[in-house]
Amino acid sequence: DTEVTQTPKHLVMGMTNKKSLKCEQHMGHRAMYWYKQKAKKPPELMFVYSYEKLSINESVPSRFSPECPNSSLLNLHLHALQPEDSALYLCASSQEFAGGRDEQFFGPGTRLTVL
Amino acid sequence: GNSVTQMEGPVTLSEEAFLTINCTYTATGYPSLFWYVQYPGEGLQLLLKATKADDKGSNKGFEATYRKETTSFHLEKGSVQVSDSAVYFCALSRSGSARQLTFGSGTQLTVLP
Repeated sequence: DTEVTQTPKHLVMGMTNKKSLKCEQHMGHRAMYWYKQKAKKPPELMFVYSYEKLSINESVPSRFSPECPNSSLLNLHLHALQPEDSALYLCASSQEFAGGRDEQFFGPGTRLTVL
Repeated sequence: GNSVTQMEGPVTLSEEAFLTINCTYTATGYPSLFWYVQYPGEGLQLLLKATKADDKGSNKGFEATYRKETTSFHLEKGSVQVSDSAVYFCALSRSGSARQLTFGSGTQLTVLP
């Protein structure tokens, strides 16, 4: 299984809502990533988890809260978002050991619209 | 720091035309180099990769060669199809923990029948 799955595919939320994005992989990867992608732009890294611990937070506002419950799952909790947070949110995973393959495998993304 | 520069798009070609998308990079050490493709409404898919100088990555008729002397990783395909219409991202990764990708700006390719 070389697939990263993400749910939901689409999400519309108001600025006062709380919602969560989910990501799952069963490739045994121990590094997982959240990216934000605006239209016609490359993905921007938000968070990196390594062995279920947050290793990188790219100065993301606290209204985005990541969580890694186990080695296969990654969540992104959303609260009090702004319309400018509307974007495609991509999850990715990769191997995490010296000498391992370093390519990242991406999920299909969640298209988020904040009203 | 690391950076990737891609040729500006959009690129429009007729079916069966030859494709080149230029990519150059700046990095310390010996990065791995990647081309990712993003079809409309989808996530990114790894198209091909190369991990050391003179390596050639290839997949689905696409090729790219890791040229350390010119710090380039240009994407080529001899005969494009309508189904190749997508956005192509060149990227590099420095090995180590939490392998971070540095992306180029992306090149939109449209292939006309």
